[in-house]
Amino acid sequence: EAGVAQSPRYKIIEKRQSVAFWCNPISGHATLYWYQQILGQGPKLLIQFQNNGVVDDSQLPKDRFSAERLKGVDSTLKIQPAKLEDSAVYLCASSLRTKGRGETQYFGPGTRLLVL
Amino acid sequence: AQKVTQAQTEISVVEKEDVTLDCVYETRDTTYYLFWYKQPPSGELVFLIRRNSFDEQNEISGRYSWNFQKSTSSFNFTITASQVVDSAVYFCALSEAGSEKLVFGKGTKLTVNP
Repeated sequence: EAGVAQSPRYKIIEKRQSVAFWCNPISGHATLYWYQQILGQGPKLLIQFQNNGVVDDSQLPKDRFSAERLKGVDSTLKIQPAKLEDSAVYLCASSLRTKGRGETQYFGPGTRLLVL
Repeated sequence: AQKVTQAQTEISVVEKEDVTLDCVYETRDTTYYLFWYKQPPSGELVFLIRRNSFDEQNEISGRYSWNFQKSTSSFNFTITASQVVDSAVYFCALSEAGSEKLVFGKGTKLTVNP
């Protein structure tokens, strides 16, 4: 079974530029998550989708970050404009469903973003 | 509010030593879920174990074992006879009933030297 796919693996941009990350979850997984992991920290949830609807985006900086999952499968996370503090690894994860019962989340390899 | 503390930032051991990674959590819920993930240098988080708050049985999987104690709000992870391939950052995480959001600790970097 294929795991969570993410691209690109690495991205270097200058501040104020825009960038987009793509994620394809495990086949059949209804729930998709984007996490931000700053160096030396644990991942922090940015947004959670159930199919194509947003479940939780309370920690998403909405003035510059946006995300969509239009067809309920793959997802795109965008940053516009990027700031230096956005340098981090962006991890995508998926789980079978959302029922508030601690579903196991499976993570992709992440996208390492460096903002100069 | 939920919180996970991994007090050990870095641990270094010699191959074949046993090592325990500590995890202390805080939650007001009576139903919650605890996880351990491994993050090797490649960056991908690898799922190791999931535990719910009603199951305090310790678990063993090969060289890995987990000790869950609700009385001390701890969910510690022990690697027996460590190997160089165990070198990674290990994260403990918590989710509460009704939310799938994982709250992670800051991680413990384990280095196993040959």
